Amino acid sequence: NAGVTQTPKFQVLKTGQSMTLQCAQDMNHEYMSWYRQDPGMGLRLIHYSVGAGITDQGEVPNGYNVSRSTTEDFPLRLLSAAPSQTSVYFCASSYSPSGSGEQFFGPGTRLTVL
Amino acid sequence: AQTVTQSQPEMSVQEAETVTLSCTYDTSESDYYLFWYKQPPSRQMILVIRQEAYKQQNATENRFSVNFQKAAKSFSLKISDSQLGDAAMYFCAYNQDYNQGGKLIFGQGTELSVKP
Repeated sequence: NAGVTQTPKFQVLKTGQSMTLQCAQDMNHEYMSWYRQDPGMGLRLIHYSVGAGITDQGEVPNGYNVSRSTTEDFPLRLLSAAPSQTSVYFCASSYSPSGSGEQFFGPGTRLTVL
Repeated sequence: AQTVTQSQPEMSVQEAETVTLSCTYDTSESDYYLFWYKQPPSRQMILVIRQEAYKQQNATENRFSVNFQKAAKSFSLKISDSQLGDAAMYFCAYNQDYNQGGKLIFGQGTELSVKP
């Protein structure tokens, strides 16, 4: 069991470039989420998904797109990178249909936008 | 809006001593879940403990316990017999949706250092 995997681990982009952060889980979890972590602000929810084909916005969705075509994968797309998107990005998954479920986090992607 | 506040950016404890990390939250819901996550320097997020709001009994996991005060909207984490491996960033989190996983609101975090 690999758990939740994220690629790449590090990325440097120039302003205006686009890219996709990959996230995959092999635990057959229905619930998947993307968070960003900024210094002094904790983690903030960007987008989440309750199953294949179903996504919704979190607290800070602007500038990001998601889709979920399979249970395993939940990629996060940056359409036109901005310096304000410099952050550490975490993908997480959960099995529980209730709010009590533990979220399993990936190792994170550190993104720098110049 | 639901918010989670950790008012202690940094805390320090002597090895083998006890330390308490504070967390307050704001919600109009009556049923919800609260969590404490640990983030060591490796950056990996690790669940420490969870509390269901409808349970009056405080959750306990080995050396970790919580003091859940629902009326005061307070959820503090107590670490007993602190160990060097407890040094990490600790985040308090609230689940926005009682019926759905995956939607956590996090506090700003408390960085805990453990002195030998």
